[in-house]
Amino acid sequence: DQQVKQNSPSLSVQEGRISILNCDYTNSMFDYFLWYKKYPAEGPTFLISISSIKDKNEDGRFTVFLNKSAKHLSLHIVPSQPGDSAVYFCAASAGGSGGSNYKLTFGKGTLLTVNP
Amino acid sequence: NAGVTQTPKFQVLKTGQSMTLQCAQDMNHNSMYWYRQDPGMGLRLIYYSASEGTTDKGEVPNGYNVSRLNKREFSLRLESAAPSQTSVYFCASSGPGTGTSSGNTIYFGEGSWLTVV
Repeated sequence: DQQVKQNSPSLSVQEGRISILNCDYTNSMFDYFLWYKKYPAEGPTFLISISSIKDKNEDGRFTVFLNKSAKHLSLHIVPSQPGDSAVYFCAASAGGSGGSNYKLTFGKGTLLTVNP
Repeated sequence: NAGVTQTPKFQVLKTGQSMTLQCAQDMNHNSMYWYRQDPGMGLRLIYYSASEGTTDKGEVPNGYNVSRLNKREFSLRLESAAPSQTSVYFCASSGPGTGTSSGNTIYFGEGSWLTVV
């Protein structure tokens, strides 16, 4: 049973436009959400996170939106750049954002391609 | 600042052989993790260690053992490798986030590519 779902395996956008990556979750105990970016042959790198007490968090070109009632979050990248081309993973924690029960459940990822 | 370092980077094993993946972090983090990534499957948690001296099973622990040697090191052992364990393995540790992160972030190593034939 997949608790974190990224239903779009891939997304292609033009440079300078907005990229919107979506993620749905089923476990109502999830209370902390993160987005990771992964280039081929490298480990995932942290992008941005959001606590369940917020509905938006922004960091430069990256904004994450959380809709708890819909169990949905999205990552917006504006403007998109060719260097943003990577696999993006949505992840969630039911153990808050730290402590002894902090572990992440990942979605399957979305491959973003930003075309020049 | 090396972050999370794991070795080896690449390994080919024969079915039934054993091996240990080594991982070390230099960020003084309490929690460490082992994940595996398979095509179309995302990252799945194998084992984690919330602190030195403790280990717990994750989503896919069968066929693996772990040792939290000290605060810095967390190893993953395959006692009798099977082709189903062909995967990319990522070690990670958890600590304070950066930027606008409000909580801890999990930091990953660069991965170990394991092929079992």
